[in-house]
Amino acid sequence: GQQVMQIPQYQHVQEGEDFTTYCNSSTTLSNIQWYKQRPGGHPVFLIQLVKSGEVKKQKRLTFQFGEAKKNSSLHITATQTTDVGTYFCAGRITTDSWGKLQFGAGTQVVVTP
Amino acid sequence: DTAVSQTPKYLVTQMGNDKSIKCEQNLGHDTMYWYKQDSKKFLKIMFSYNNKELIINETVPNRFSPKSPDKAHLNLHINSLELGDSAVYFCASSPPGVLGAKNIQYFGAGTRLSVL
Repeated sequence: GQQVMQIPQYQHVQEGEDFTTYCNSSTTLSNIQWYKQRPGGHPVFLIQLVKSGEVKKQKRLTFQFGEAKKNSSLHITATQTTDVGTYFCAGRITTDSWGKLQFGAGTQVVVTP
Repeated sequence: DTAVSQTPKYLVTQMGNDKSIKCEQNLGHDTMYWYKQDSKKFLKIMFSYNNKELIINETVPNRFSPKSPDKAHLNLHINSLELGDSAVYFCASSPPGVLGAKNIQYFGAGTRLSVL
């Protein structure tokens, strides 16, 4: 079954507000990636986290990898209409020698002006 | 000069037909993938090839047959198309090198398959 769970599935946000999407794995991950897919587009790589407890920022986006390397979060501050899209986390299961990524189900973000 | 290009972009066909989707990458990557994205946006890996060798083969009906003539190309042939095959199929590639960078997926624009 699906090993990487992502919540919420949908997120309606007022422009200017903050929100967070969460990713949880049933097994330890060697790394986790985040992708953004605009409506009608394809997933685009945003960032990769490798170290336990790692925090990385990209402008208004803050990515965090849990201490146990089983969860991650993406926090967006002051949401803009350009943030619309689906955000996916994707984790590499440590025991998978070929580095197969397990994608979460995605969080579909709708921003209202 | 698109990095990962798929053809066709749209594919509308009747049930029972056979169709192929092609993918090419000019990034010099050695690993390529096929993903299926259903109407709920869930991305599921189907196959992966590394230097023309099949390395990932998920639980996919054997009506789906990938083929990699060289490491820059990965095609997907689907026999006897069914209604449930309707989805967006994404090709992706990832670079060689250290394990971390090796995982990063570069996706094509997708092929929207509609089976009527």
